[in-house]
Amino acid sequence: GEDVEQSLFLSVREGDSSVINCTYTDSSSTYLYWYKQEPGAGLQLLTYIFSNMDMKQDQRLTVLLNKKDKHLSLRIADTQTGDSAIYFCAEIKGNNRLAFGKGNQVVVIP
Amino acid sequence: EAQVTQNPRYLITVTGKKLTVTCSQNMNHEYMSWYRQDPGLGLRQIYYSMNVEVTDKGDVPEGYKVSRKEKRNFPLILESPSPNQTSLYFCASKEGRNTGELFFGEGSRLTVL
Repeated sequence: GEDVEQSLFLSVREGDSSVINCTYTDSSSTYLYWYKQEPGAGLQLLTYIFSNMDMKQDQRLTVLLNKKDKHLSLRIADTQTGDSAIYFCAEIKGNNRLAFGKGNQVVVIP
Repeated sequence: EAQVTQNPRYLITVTGKKLTVTCSQNMNHEYMSWYRQDPGLGLRQIYYSMNVEVTDKGDVPEGYKVSRKEKRNFPLILESPSPNQTSLYFCASKEGRNTGELFFGEGSRLTVL
């Protein structure tokens, strides 16, 4: 089965908050990551959270981690048109490999 | 400027014609990897390399080969491309320690007719 699961599509109005969810499988993951892929580009690391944290805030981004349920979420406050992208959550597996979810496309409506 | 460079960025080819997608990084990273991205399937790892002369299969290695003769280069070889290898390919690199910050190239869109 999938290592990391994500829903696929979200549309949000400019200025609203958007929330993207992810479920991972490896309870021993030390870090969990959010990557952003803008149109026509490769992925870039957006933020990450250490597994002993419940929450991390970074400007407009809030990452929530529920280790019990292996659930990770990314909240983007005051969503802007530049936030339109595909967002991937990821975890490190054995052999230092990164496993990615299927990605969640966020479309911001002006 | 720190970067991962892939070539070609776009390629249309025919079934069975061998091709190589090159990947080069200038960050002295030990770890390099190839992914393919397909609609609805996300990013799937093809091959990865922990260091020079060390390569391992990822989740979807069939139909691909790689080599790591030098630290900076990690070419992806399709010996006999087939239409199901039509995809968007990404090369990525990172430091060898257990970090999740991957640096990605801009992608190579391959179409096999």
